[in-house]
Amino acid sequence: NAGVTQTPKFRVLKTGQSMTLLCAQDMNHEYMYWYRQDPGMGLRLIHYSVGEGTTAKGEVPDGYNVSRLKKQNFLLGLESAAPSQTSVYFCASSSYTGALDEKLFFGSGTQLSVL
Amino acid sequence: LAKTTQPISMDSYEGQEVNITCSHNNIATNDYITWYQQFPSQGPRFIIQGYKTKVTNEVASLFIPADRKSSTLSLPRVSLSDTAVYYCLVGDKNTGGFKTIFGAGTRLFVKA
Repeated sequence: NAGVTQTPKFRVLKTGQSMTLLCAQDMNHEYMYWYRQDPGMGLRLIHYSVGEGTTAKGEVPDGYNVSRLKKQNFLLGLESAAPSQTSVYFCASSSYTGALDEKLFFGSGTQLSVL
Repeated sequence: LAKTTQPISMDSYEGQEVNITCSHNNIATNDYITWYQQFPSQGPRFIIQGYKTKVTNEVASLFIPADRKSSTLSLPRVSLSDTAVYYCLVGDKNTGGFKTIFGAGTRLFVKA
């Protein structure tokens, strides 16, 4: 089982460049999320989606855009990268079954550096 | 959203039992308590979840007192591979994970 797959794993950008991070899940989950994690800190929610065609802002959405055209994919875009966006980005997915052990499944992360 | 407070770091030795306590004084009636583990360069991984009393699985136990204002993650007989960051989260699972807030977590360092 692949679970949640993120591409690319590493990327270096220059200030002002744009890029898209791809997240794919093969668990048929309804919910998908993008988090960022800065050194020594916990994860902060950027954007999330509760289903195909829907997106919503999380805790730190500024400077990012997302799209969920297909249920299994969730794209995170940076239109004009800034050094403050240097971080590790994690994608996650979850189902909504009402089960007691409902949980988030995370990808392995994308290390992004903006110079 | 209920805010959680955990110790920043803990040290232990192999073979010992480790207990990490999380405070969540403002927990709501519909909130569940969930713990995640994160190794360096990896995404967090679910450990255990509970609502009240005690929950046990093959990895850990979770103790929740009657007032639910705190919870304790118990890791029996830790090994070097348990060195990781442990996050305590409180949220209404019926609304999905998007209301989940990750704090800084507790860095557990297991020594030989």
